[in-house]
Amino acid sequence: GAVVSQHPSWVICKSGTSVKIECRSLDFQATTMFWYRQFPKQSLMLMATSNEGSKATYEQGVEKDKFLINHASLTLSTLTVTSAHPEDSSFYICSARDYRGLYEQYFGPGTRLTVT
Amino acid sequence: AQRVTQPEKLLSVFKGAPVELKCNYSYSGSPELFWYVQYSRQRLQLLLRHISRESIKGFTADLNKGETSFHLKKPFAQEEDSAMYYCALIYNQGGKLIFGQGTELSVKP
Repeated sequence: GAVVSQHPSWVICKSGTSVKIECRSLDFQATTMFWYRQFPKQSLMLMATSNEGSKATYEQGVEKDKFLINHASLTLSTLTVTSAHPEDSSFYICSARDYRGLYEQYFGPGTRLTVT
Repeated sequence: AQRVTQPEKLLSVFKGAPVELKCNYSYSGSPELFWYVQYSRQRLQLLLRHISRESIKGFTADLNKGETSFHLKKPFAQEEDSAMYYCALIYNQGGKLIFGQGTELSVKP
């Protein structure tokens, strides 16, 4: 089956610094990846759609200058949380869409970000 | 607006009992609906999708357009079914998923 990895699995950073999270499709090419945010005991909230070779599309209310997304290759998308603040602490999950077969989305294991 | 609603945050049943996790949706077009499951300390994974009309791990879900529902059912719950279950809707060809709030299923021995 298709596998999506995320790195790091958890990160602690100081307020004001930037953090980069990587999302990789390991055994398939993904022209489209998605970034979600999940608060404790809550659902996944779509933040943005990452398209290879073009700008990301952000959902309403998501600051594009705060959450920089780069989809530089068919297997890698990165999310950079810039000038992080404690309220950015959350669980960030990516998914990659496999265009083979039924266009299923495969999810990464998530990255726990804690901003102190 | 597109919306997925799962009215129960927690559903607790005994092993062997039937289980039904409710999902209602709001969508103006032709919906494509999914159930995802997240076991403890594991990633989200697809359980089933309505267009496949299949049974996975004994679970089934039927799309009822009249009631705008896509309830997940299993006749005999097992302890290993304990997990978070999310109903989701794709609302455009780009593949964006809208998730419901999730229902935690707890199957007691």
